[in-house]
Amino acid sequence: QVQLVESGGAVVQPGRSLRLSCAASGFTFSSRYAMHWVRQAPGKGLEWVAVISYDGSKKNYADSVKGRFTISRDNSKNTLFLQMNSLRAEDTALYYCARGGNPLDYWGQGTLVTVSS
Amino acid sequence: EIVMTQSPATLSVSPGERATLSCRASQSVNSNLAWYHQKPGQAPRLLIYGASTRATGIPARFSGSGSGTEFTLTISSLQSADFAVYYCQQYNNWPLTFGGGTKVEIK
Repeated sequence: QVQLVESGGAVVQPGRSLRLSCAASGFTFSSRYAMHWVRQAPGKGLEWVAVISYDGSKKNYADSVKGRFTISRDNSKNTLFLQMNSLRAEDTALYYCARGGNPLDYWGQGTLVTVSS
Repeated sequence: EIVMTQSPATLSVSPGERATLSCRASQSVNSNLAWYHQKPGQAPRLLIYGASTRATGIPARFSGSGSGTEFTLTISSLQSADFAVYYCQQYNNWPLTFGGGTKVEIK
């Protein structure tokens, strides 16, 4: 069965960096499927963050993270990444990875990022 | 960016009753609309895509309708497992955008 397991969440100070990972299994990670990051601030709704095509050649970002976050993938290791730089308090959220060209058909359980001094 | 507006914010329904949730897009998204539900402490789960197609394993009591800018999710007979927050999401344009959610609670 499809499994997505996020890791790398932590408490970090504003301005610092963090790298999230999402380990995928149960499907052919390197073919057909784009992958996304979606976040959810505490007690709030869902906010799409970034997407990467199946081969990594195309990427797109929400304006709120453009220039600070970078999405990437290692198809040889079935892993999706989110490099987050210049973190702000408003980046505090549970970060989910999700599979999908569209829609987002499988989601991980999330990893919590807290940005606080 | 396309703004998705869901109504009502909270819906109080008794088990066995019908629930109707609405989602409106600020411009046409054709039929590129998905519905998810999210239970406390869990990840969202895909229910409906293409505005009206049930995802794998989703029971027939869930149905979606609409196109363009107006969409509806109907749960024909609410069961205890259905009390959750429901989100609509458009995937017609970048960035992908979600509605603010409708919480379906027990009356």
